Order: sequence, then C-alpha cells, then structure tokens
Amino acid sequence: KQEVTQIPAALSVPEGENLVLNCSFTDSAIYNLQWFRQDPGKGLTSLLLIQSSQREQTSGRLNASLDKSSGRSTLYIAASQPGDSATYLCALFGGSNYKLTFGKGTLLTVNP
Amino acid sequence: GAGVSQSPSNKVTEKGKDVELRCDPISGHTALYWYRQSLGQGLEFLIYFQGNSAPDKSGLPSDRFSAERTGGSVSTLTIQRTQQEDSAVYLCASSSPFVAPETQYFGPGTRLLVL
Repeated sequence: KQEVTQIPAALSVPEGENLVLNCSFTDSAIYNLQWFRQDPGKGLTSLLLIQSSQREQTSGRLNASLDKSSGRSTLYIAASQPGDSATYLCALFGGSNYKLTFGKGTLLTVNP
Repeated sequence: GAGVSQSPSNKVTEKGKDVELRCDPISGHTALYWYRQSLGQGLEFLIYFQGNSAPDKSGLPSDRFSAERTGGSVSTLTIQRTQQEDSAVYLCASSSPFVAPETQYFGPGTRLLVL
C-alpha cells in the first residue's frame, strides 16, 4: 500500500526566502507525481506534474524534483511571497488503479 | 463548463439524515473521482467512475455511502443515516484519458457538517 509523508507539517518563513517542501513515498512504482496547492476553504490547484520518466519540472518560481529510487520529491519555492501562503499537497498516481494517494500536506505561511 | 463544480458548497445536517452531494465534471471528461478530506486525516480516495461505471469502489467507508453517475456526466454521492464522523470536505475531480499527461482537476468541494 502506497504511503506518502510530507515534512514539515507546517512552515513559517519571512517574505523573500527560498524554501523546500519534502515528500516521501514507499512504493516507487508510480505513474506520476503531482504537487497541489490548497487555499483555505478552496479546492485543489495543480501546480506541477512530474511523470515517472522525468526528474524535474519548473513553473515560474516553482521547481519540483522526483527521485524514484529514493522515494522522494521536493518542491522548491524561490523568493517566497505572502501570496504563496497555502497548504501544499503531494500526490502520487499509481496508474493501474487511477486514484491519487495524497500526503497530509505542508501548511506554509509567508510573513510580510 | 469551465471547471468542475460541486453543490451544495456547504451542508449542515442532523445525525441520521440522508444527504446527496452533486458533482458536475468538466465537459468531455470521462473519468470522475470522489475524495474525502477529514480534519487530521488528509485526502482519501472514495470512488472512481469511467463513464457511468465504477470499477473502483474500494474507498467507500461503509455501505451507507453510495455513488452514481448518469449520462457520463453528473455524479451524486449519497450518504445515508449520516454520522458525526462523516463530517468532512468532499471533493470531486475529473480527468480525460485523451489529454496527456492525464491530470485530475478538482472542484471546490462540499463542506459537510453532521450535528
């Protein structure tokens, strides 16, 4: 059974800092990995998707990496802004069963 | 529509009542998923539809939960005889296998509170 762990559970940083969110998983037989953002009272917004054959994806100030052999992914946020404050969720897609398996998320607060 | 929509956005009910939650997927998306987000539990998969068929119901927590999809579009999740532990945010997502990579697009969720 796939298990996804996100560390830290919560993170508070001053504006402008670069930061790294971590995601680890137990089963490397994945189809892809996604990072989502969830704002309070809102649904999920997909940020980046990394397919199993890829090592990283970049979008603006966000960079996500994937290391299947070690069962790890990181989300790097450069020059953080207060608008980045949200919960960030890591989710794995196993392919054969079509469901996403989520971590519990990291609650990020960026202070002005 | 432009995105996945869900209704109602909030629902407060009394223990023992039945509730129906509705999901309208993105037009043309053949796959539809229901997830539940409970406080402290994270997001958990409930059920997956391909067209009107549900090949994977493995996440439904009990026989009080059921779901259906009609016309390959709208889906309803029904919870019978609600219990307080059913309080959670219920999220719906849809995807298309014809768009690579296949990405699930989520609705805003229905916040259910069982008193």
